[in-house]
Amino acid sequence: DTGVSQDPRHKITKRGQNVTFRCDPISEHNRLYWYRQTLGQGPEFLTYFQNEAQLEKSRLLSDRFSAERPKGSFSTLEIQRTEQGDSAMYLCASSSGGLVADTQYFGPGTRLTVL
Amino acid sequence: DAKTTQPNSMESNEEEPVHLPCNHSTISGTDYIHWYRQLPSQGPEYVIHGLTSNVNNRMASLAIAEDRKSSTLILHRATLRDAAVYYCILRGAGTASKLTFGTGTRLQVTL
Repeated sequence: DTGVSQDPRHKITKRGQNVTFRCDPISEHNRLYWYRQTLGQGPEFLTYFQNEAQLEKSRLLSDRFSAERPKGSFSTLEIQRTEQGDSAMYLCASSSGGLVADTQYFGPGTRLTVL
Repeated sequence: DAKTTQPNSMESNEEEPVHLPCNHSTISGTDYIHWYRQLPSQGPEYVIHGLTSNVNNRMASLAIAEDRKSSTLILHRATLRDAAVYYCILRGAGTASKLTFGTGTRLQVTL
């Protein structure tokens, strides 16, 4: 399977704990996006990488959130001191950077539950 | 970002055509109209995009109004596997831009 993969698919944690999610984009895609989706809502943009550079961050990305893409390949999203409001589906997408469509390909997501 | 408006839900019978509308009255001249859909328990997937002319691909057709203030995604023969949330999204060309999702239209397909 050469699609976007995310790990883990599900994560249950207690409030105050740190969690880290991984995203492996489609090979050679230079753009990588993180989104968050809560029940009944569309995905909301969190942050975007072009290769290893983090070029845009949403206001939603508080100081407790950090994302990295150290070698321009896989990416990690860490949430420190989790809160119940962080419970959501975290989606990763990648794209090859076309000028017009720049179609984003999404992974299956990591569902986070904070107790 | 220019905003889109879609009905919350629609229903269709299997093998019937489905027309999913989207209003985008504040669209700018350089905004492309993109459609993505999200099947249950999956990430969104690209469906189609266009600028001014109607577009066809293997999944669907996109009909764009002459004034570009609205568009319609057409599924020619809905199947049970088309049951999903469909998102209409405006996106500027030539930018590495995020997708701004609304709440979309939940399409139910029945036998």
